[in-house]
Amino acid sequence: GAGVSQSPSNKVTEKGKDVELRCDPISGHTALYWYRQRLGQGLEFLIYFQGNSAPDKSGLPSDRFSAERTGESVSTLTIQRTQQEDSAVYLCASRELAGGSSFVDTQYFGPGTRLTVL
Amino acid sequence: GESVGLHLPTLSVQEGDNSIINCAYSNSASDYFIWYKQESGKGPQFIIDIRSNMDKRQGQRVTVLLNKTVKHLSLQIAATQPGDSAVYFCAENIGGGSYIPTFGRGTSLIVHP
Repeated sequence: GAGVSQSPSNKVTEKGKDVELRCDPISGHTALYWYRQRLGQGLEFLIYFQGNSAPDKSGLPSDRFSAERTGESVSTLTIQRTQQEDSAVYLCASRELAGGSSFVDTQYFGPGTRLTVL
Repeated sequence: GESVGLHLPTLSVQEGDNSIINCAYSNSASDYFIWYKQESGKGPQFIIDIRSNMDKRQGQRVTVLLNKTVKHLSLQIAATQPGDSAVYFCAENIGGGSYIPTFGRGTSLIVHP
């Protein structure tokens, strides 16, 4: 079946502009995550949605960052007044129930959106 | 501006050799650990996981070892193939109901044919 998809795959913007990144999770996955990955670095947690619960926003680096999710489907990550340090790959992941060879729920990642702020 | 020239730890091996990728984790309360593989231009892909009440777990061509005394995790890949070339990340999760794993920086594995 289809995996996690993200759009756009690449986004170049000017400093100070707003950007919106989209994530389509795997159908039926109730949990959805956003991460940021800077060049040569690991994944930095941004925000976590689980069903109808209030999202865990503890990883958002500033109030310029926000995210929404419609039910258990599409999510958008918005960055307002972008800065050069926002340049990174933004990864989305959705999670299924534990099963198969994994102990707990497995995260499935999308290919990411590469954001470049000039 | 963003730094350039950041270099990940790199492991270079010959095809057919065994590879060992190491990871030091930070939180002694972590109860669950995961290894991911990230190929260029793609998102991370789950490889194998292990709970804190285990010290070893085997998968297909991969073995994860956990040493809680020194907070160390390793991923062993047997008979490494060129297709194994990627960045490998370990991640730890504290548990307690919220599943938000913390990722390490990653190791780049280069397999030479």
